Amino acid sequence: GQQVMQIPQYQHVQEGEDFTTYCNSSTTLSNIQWYKQRPGGHPVFLIQLVKSGEVKKQKRLTFQFGEAKKNSSLHITATQTTDVGTYFCAGLTPSGAGSYQLTFGKGTKLSVIP
Amino acid sequence: NAGVTQTPKFQVLKTGQSMTLQCAQDMNHNSMYWYRQDPGMGLRLIYYSASEGTTDKGEVPNGYNVSRLNKREFSLRLESAAPSQTSVYFCASSESGTGGLYEQYFGPGTRLTVT
Repeated sequence: GQQVMQIPQYQHVQEGEDFTTYCNSSTTLSNIQWYKQRPGGHPVFLIQLVKSGEVKKQKRLTFQFGEAKKNSSLHITATQTTDVGTYFCAGLTPSGAGSYQLTFGKGTKLSVIP
Repeated sequence: NAGVTQTPKFQVLKTGQSMTLQCAQDMNHNSMYWYRQDPGMGLRLIYYSASEGTTDKGEVPNGYNVSRLNKREFSLRLESAAPSQTSVYFCASSESGTGGLYEQYFGPGTRLTVT
């Protein structure tokens, strides 16, 4: 079935350093979504990428969707303590009869050392 | 708007007991989902309901049943709880269209411990 692999599983950075998490799918995706979950909280939607090669920015966050629509990345510039949490990618694929399936990666847990 | 609400927030069960987790959304979304989250395993889909009146199995449906009571409410039932069902359970909802699913909105979660 559909698989979405996300690396690394954990990342510890010094405040001010950059951070990147990568997402790879075994099949071509219709789109990819990114979510953030703060410790003890619930996942919150960040962004959706739809087009091949698409790049979107939200302040210090840069999201990319690969040309083949099978991989994606999230890059945070100059991390802050407010960036702490787990970042999930989720790939969307058609599952037949007009319906879609969203498959989550296992997430990258980011720790920021002040 | 409350968004997605879940009850209870915490629950402790003994092995073999049953319980129902409740979920409601006030965003008029067609699709609703139940996930479980275990350390290092990410979010795994248990069941989903693409629209009112339909339910389908996800990745890990064994030991669970669901009911889409109406467009707002989607409940998850554990008939005979097992320690392997100790987890955090999230309900989510989303709109859907010809282009696929839109973003999912998650509830605050239910932390379930089965002893």
